[in-house]
Amino acid sequence: TQLLEQSPQFLSIQEGENLTVYCNSSSVFSSLQWYRQEPGEGPVLLVTVVTGGEVKKLKRLTFQFGDARKDSSLHITAAQPGDTGLYLCAGDGSGSRLTFGEGTQLTVNP
Amino acid sequence: KAGVTQTPRYLIKTRGQQVTLSCSPISGHRSVSWYQQTPGQGLQFLFEYFSETQRNKGNFPGRFSGRQFSNSRSEMNVSTLELGDSALYLCASSLFGTGSGNTIYFGEGSWLTVV
Repeated sequence: TQLLEQSPQFLSIQEGENLTVYCNSSSVFSSLQWYRQEPGEGPVLLVTVVTGGEVKKLKRLTFQFGDARKDSSLHITAAQPGDTGLYLCAGDGSGSRLTFGEGTQLTVNP
Repeated sequence: KAGVTQTPRYLIKTRGQQVTLSCSPISGHRSVSWYQQTPGQGLQFLFEYFSETQRNKGNFPGRFSGRQFSNSRSEMNVSTLELGDSALYLCASSLFGTGSGNTIYFGEGSWLTVV
């Protein structure tokens, strides 16, 4: 069974601070996705990383895929209240399924 | 283009009843997956259908079933509902399923409360 461990589970910071969310596994994934989910809505895809060592930037968000394709991180620079939400990592491993981490509930206070 | 549409959005059922949830994928998408999301367990994979065939199934009891129609629309059914089945049920649509970097699009989900 492939598992993804996401940390921290909860994060409350002030506007303007930086933060990093981690997603770790002992399994290798062919790709890894990061989603953001807001209350009452489904997850929305932020990025997909495929190549080991890959770094992708989306405005103030930086995503990195580990060299061994077992872990990933999401770094947010100068967080804003609009970044508040549940951040989920999901690995595309065996079978036609995504394995999700437990999620990181981020709250950015003005 | 229209997104993934799930109906109903909210429903309340009594223990022992059954429920059917519907999902209309994005036009042209042939893969539909279902996930259960609860506060304690996060998102758990239920099953995936591609061209009317179930390709993969998660670790859920047989009370959970699904099907896909020729127009790619999918339904999932839960029989003999239990309190623990209360959750957000999410449908995900994609061209070919996971793998090869296919983008997965989620619907807004169906909130099921079992009382």
